[in-house]
Amino acid sequence: GESVGLHLPTLSVQEGDNSIINCAYSNSASDYFIWYKQESGKGPQFIIDIRSNMDKRQGQRVTVLLNKTVKHLSLQIAATQPGDSAVYFCAENIQGAQKLVFGQGTRLTINP
Amino acid sequence: DAGVTQSPTHLIKTRGQQVTLRCSPKSGHDTVSWYQQALGQGPQFIFQYYEEEERQRGNFPDRFSGHQFPNYSSELNVNALLLGDSALYLCASSLFNHPYEQYFGPGTRLTVT
Repeated sequence: GESVGLHLPTLSVQEGDNSIINCAYSNSASDYFIWYKQESGKGPQFIIDIRSNMDKRQGQRVTVLLNKTVKHLSLQIAATQPGDSAVYFCAENIQGAQKLVFGQGTRLTINP
Repeated sequence: DAGVTQSPTHLIKTRGQQVTLRCSPKSGHDTVSWYQQALGQGPQFIFQYYEEEERQRGNFPDRFSGHQFPNYSSELNVNALLLGDSALYLCASSLFNHPYEQYFGPGTRLTVT
């Protein structure tokens, strides 16, 4: 069935280190994936997206990797800053549908 | 350029009551999607409106209904409120021909007592 899940509910990293947030999805018909950042009291904010015909996409300090063989998605944040503290969600779109399926989320905390 | 706005910010209702939440999409967007986010969970898709019609619907009962107006703004109505309806309700806007690029509002926190 439709499901997007995350391996770890919480992740703590040192300021300046790189962060890697993982996500597993189960629907092989998913054709589009998005990472969102949600800060306390706010709605999800778009970070980066990737289509299923790609395996890597880079943005500013962020990189998304897609491994369709094992249905795995990851978000890498370089040089993590205090402002990166938030809950991160991966979301998938199943081909033909116009709705996003979200995972449970990973809370990223930054240690000074 | 205003982003997605939602009202009210917070709302407290009693079981059995009805509630209406409102959303104004980002300027230029024509499609509105509604999501329910329970505490500690990811958003769950409720439904999507385009051209004043419901286009897609998630696994939510008929107690959840919506409307889209000619100016693209939208309302979410929930009847016969249950305690389990307590959640953050998020509105996301997009262009119908670019459905993946959804911009979220800050949400309405609904508490049912």
